[in-house]
Amino acid sequence: QKEVEQDPGPLSVPEGAIVSLNCTYSNSAFQYFMWYRQYSRKGPELLMYTYSSGNKEDGRFTAQVDKSSKYISLFIRDSQPSDSATYLCAMDSGYALNFGKGTSLLVTP
Amino acid sequence: EAQVTQNPRYLITVTGKKLTVTCSQNMNHEYMSWYRQDPGLGLRQIYYSMNVEVTDKGDVPEGYKVSRKEKRNFPLILESPSPNQTSLYFCASSLSSPDEQFFGPGTRLTVL
Repeated sequence: QKEVEQDPGPLSVPEGAIVSLNCTYSNSAFQYFMWYRQYSRKGPELLMYTYSSGNKEDGRFTAQVDKSSKYISLFIRDSQPSDSATYLCAMDSGYALNFGKGTSLLVTP
Repeated sequence: EAQVTQNPRYLITVTGKKLTVTCSQNMNHEYMSWYRQDPGLGLRQIYYSMNVEVTDKGDVPEGYKVSRKEKRNFPLILESPSPNQTSLYFCASSLSSPDEQFFGPGTRLTVL
């Protein structure tokens, strides 16, 4: 079983919708949780970083971590066409990042 | 400007011809890493380095070599490339631990 599971999508939503992206993991040693965004033909860029269980908000983005369920989520409110990208969850094992395979999101005008 | 640079950005080569992809960062980061990204497989770590002269294998190290002689540079070496190494390669760096990595723009490698 891969340590980090992420539905690859693609996910298509209309502009203004609330988007929910999710990952599950199996290694309870993971302490740090990140979401990266990758536009086509670009390198991933860090979007959100969380340490503990709970919610962290940054503008239209909310990252949620539930360590008891080994489940993390990224919510995007009022989605925009510029949010169209691949979103990768990542978890820190102490010496490396373990990435999900990424979810492709398309926000249509 | 803080950045991670990779060269070349695009490379087409033939089986067995040794090549090096360079990676350089100007942020005085200790941690550097190489990934390959393939459709359906996501980002997989090849090698990482916690500091100068300290390197270790990631998930898919076979067929690759790295070195870390200076803090800013972390080249990826393919001694005898094969077609299954055709991929999109990313170099990344972070301050001292693997989280909050900054990624380079990527190198698209095709091995014929």
